[in-house]
Amino acid sequence: EAGVAQSPRYKIIEKRQSVAFWCNPISGHATLYWYQQILGQGPKLLIQFQNNGVVDDSQLPKDRFSAERLKGVDSTLKIQPAKLEDSAVYLCASRPTGTSGYEQYFGPGTRLTVT
Amino acid sequence: RKEVEQDPGPFNVPEGATVAFNCTYSNSASQSFFWYRQDCRKEPKLLMSVYSSGNEDGRFTAQLNRASQYISLLIRDSKLSDSATYLCVVKVVVQKLVFGTGTRLLVSP
Repeated sequence: EAGVAQSPRYKIIEKRQSVAFWCNPISGHATLYWYQQILGQGPKLLIQFQNNGVVDDSQLPKDRFSAERLKGVDSTLKIQPAKLEDSAVYLCASRPTGTSGYEQYFGPGTRLTVT
Repeated sequence: RKEVEQDPGPFNVPEGATVAFNCTYSNSASQSFFWYRQDCRKEPKLLMSVYSSGNEDGRFTAQLNRASQYISLLIRDSKLSDSATYLCVVKVVVQKLVFGTGTRLLVSP
């Protein structure tokens, strides 16, 4: 079974520029998450989708971050404009529907450096 | 107060040692508990769930104390390959996980 795919793996941009990240979850996983992991910290949930609907975006800085999952499969996360403090790894995770367990499957992440 | 608190370490132990990590959580309504493992520059992966009665998986033992809002992970007979960051994770509402900052373990020969 293919895992969660993310691209790009690395991105370096200057502050005030825009950037977009892409995620393709495991086939059939209805729930998709975007996390931000700053160096030395645990992952912090930015947004959670159930199919193409947003379940939780309470920690998404909506003045600069946006995310969509239009067809309920792959998803994009955008930052516009980027700030220095956005330097982090952006992790996408997915979870199957209807399971009793609670494992989230993470992609390899996109490492963003804002200079 | 953070929702999930862990000692960031690092814990430096020799091979064969026993090491324990602790974690506290603030939300008494938390429903489920987990330990995830994250290798350097890799994604987190589920290590084990934590049950009220305590549970064991090989060299790993997890325990939960709901009264004290405290979770622990014990690793026996440490291996070099156990070197990683161990993330304490709490499910506070349906499908939402809150991660601690992680505890870094370094096992040396």
